Amino acid sequence: QKEVEQNSGPLSVPEGAIASLNCTYSDRGSQSFFWYRQYSGKSPELIMSIYSNGDKEDGRFTAQLNKASQYVSLLIRDSQPSDSATYLCAVTLAGRRALTFGSGTRLQVQP
Amino acid sequence: DAGVIQSPRHEVTEMGQEVTLRCKPISGHDYLFWYRQTMMRGLELLIYFNNNVPIDDSGMPEDRFSAKMPNASFSTLKIQPSEPRDSAVYFCASSLQESAGYTFGSGTRLTVV
Repeated sequence: QKEVEQNSGPLSVPEGAIASLNCTYSDRGSQSFFWYRQYSGKSPELIMSIYSNGDKEDGRFTAQLNKASQYVSLLIRDSQPSDSATYLCAVTLAGRRALTFGSGTRLQVQP
Repeated sequence: DAGVIQSPRHEVTEMGQEVTLRCKPISGHDYLFWYRQTMMRGLELLIYFNNNVPIDDSGMPEDRFSAKMPNASFSTLKIQPSEPRDSAVYFCASSLQESAGYTFGSGTRLTVV
């Protein structure tokens, strides 16, 4: 089992729809969770961080964390073509305090 | 702030040659990370430093790889000798804390032929 798992996609949604991106992690002791966006040929950029169970909203983005299910998700409301990118989930695993990244989910927003 | 600065942006070298990648972290960030990204393996942590001291180098593939941080504003990742399988994008990132969000540099795309 991978330590941080994401569906590689592509996830295709129409413009204006809600995109839902999911991530599971193997370590029940993980404490910090992040979502990064990476455009093709560019470096990852931080979108959201979440540390406690529940939802955290920032503009059109909502991060959801469920530690019991070892699951973190990112919702993008009113998706725009400019949201088309690869979204990376990152987790701090117990025993390795630097971030471990998932392989990413490619999102395509169709105009 | 200029962000995390990496050089060169692109490097093409022949197998067996030495390659040196450079990174300048954001001023005041105590943590510096080196990651490698490939299609097959995604983003992998190679090594990271705290206050110029290496903390975890378990991701360094083999003895051909070495990293240094002689001061708070500069780090190098060296590959000697380079091999075609080292071809990847190498990212440097810095952060105020280990478990905080990282700021990534633009990366160095390395091609070993």
